[in-house]
Amino acid sequence: GAVVSQHPSRVICKSGTSVKIECRSLDFQATTMFWYRQFPKQSLMLMATSNEGSKATYEQGVEKDKFLINHASLTLSTLTVTSAHPEDSSFYICSAIYDGYGYTFGSGTRLTVV
Amino acid sequence: EDKVVQSPLSLVVHEGDTVTLNCSYEVTNFRSLLWYKQEKKAPTFLFMLTSSGIEKKSGRLSSILDKKELFSILNITATQTGDSAVYLCAVDTSYDKVIFGPGTSLSVIP
Repeated sequence: GAVVSQHPSRVICKSGTSVKIECRSLDFQATTMFWYRQFPKQSLMLMATSNEGSKATYEQGVEKDKFLINHASLTLSTLTVTSAHPEDSSFYICSAIYDGYGYTFGSGTRLTVV
Repeated sequence: EDKVVQSPLSLVVHEGDTVTLNCSYEVTNFRSLLWYKQEKKAPTFLFMLTSSGIEKKSGRLSSILDKKELFSILNITATQTGDSAVYLCAVDTSYDKVIFGPGTSLSVIP
């Protein structure tokens, strides 16, 4: 089946540093990947849509320069949180569209900025 | 290996019908089970279930969890065309890992 592998699952970083989160489609080509942030009460906020080989489309209110998204290949999309601050601490999840099965999600990354 | 399975993968019903969506799971360190409705941009949170046998309701939607048999169902009564969506089941583990099922694509036709 379609699997998206997300790494790391948990990361702690110092305020002001950058963190990179990877999402890899293991057995299919993901031309489109989505990045979400999970808020309290379990709601998911779509941050951006990344398309292989082109610039990501960011949702309103999401800082492009802070959350850098790169989708350089059909199997890899990365989210880099630059100059992280404690308020960036959250759970980040990616997903990809897999034909015939709809959305396939990564297992998430818990980011803690101290 | 942790996994979440949903059935059916797709379903077509007529308005007014009642549907039951199934979710079964095998995970280590279960914390909660989540149901989402995916229409456009991001999944909309529906329910979080942590205890067995306690039904959660929201309008025409209801859900219940059986932790012994490791499954949950999502019921939708008197379906409407606006209920057409992909319904996602996810399990949150105490290892800060959320495992999503493949989703059930529901189409409600007039």
